[in-house]
Amino acid sequence: QQQVKQSPQSLIVQKGGISIINCAYENTAFDYFPWYQQFPGKGPALLIAIRPDVSEKKEGRFTISFNKSAKQFSLHIMDSQPGDSATYFCAASRNSGYALNFGKGTSLLVTP
Amino acid sequence: DSGVTQTPKHLITATGQRVTLRCSPRSGDLSVYWYQQSLDQGLQFLIQYYNGEERAKGNILERFSAQQFPDLHSELNLSSLELGDSALYFCASSVRRGGDTQYFGPGTRLTVL
Repeated sequence: QQQVKQSPQSLIVQKGGISIINCAYENTAFDYFPWYQQFPGKGPALLIAIRPDVSEKKEGRFTISFNKSAKQFSLHIMDSQPGDSATYFCAASRNSGYALNFGKGTSLLVTP
Repeated sequence: DSGVTQTPKHLITATGQRVTLRCSPRSGDLSVYWYQQSLDQGLQFLIQYYNGEERAKGNILERFSAQQFPDLHSELNLSSLELGDSALYFCASSVRRGGDTQYFGPGTRLTVL
């Protein structure tokens, strides 16, 4: 069963716009929530990660918002660029170092 | 480049055959994870090794097995292959047993005909 649900499946955003991807989880034992970015033909690469003791984490144009009570977290990509076009995966695990439970991925296309 | 290497990049084989996928973790990383990526199932955790010992098992079929050697490289063995085993297989590594970031290799694309 999918322990992490991700939406939308695909997303088209204009250059300069905000891309928003949402994830939800059920297992309250999860306490590490990374986002991975994957380009075609490449392995996933860590983009940004958060732990549930903070509600938001920002790195450059990428922000994770975390809502512990709702068991939801989201990725916001500000000022989206064509180079951001990739597949994004949210994930969750019990402590970092345990297996990652991935969402099904969101294919993002940023149009010029 | 994550520093994790996987060979081969592509593998084409027939049903019923056995293949071995190889992974070399980043220098200094003790944990190795194997994941399978398919269109319908997404990225699924298969198995984890830490410093030569199996640490966790996920949705790994009995036809599949893995090991981690003293030099820390790992091999994933897939036997009695079926069409449904066609997928991308990724290896990831992290520093500690409870290490933070998992660094993914470029993957091995397996096609079973």
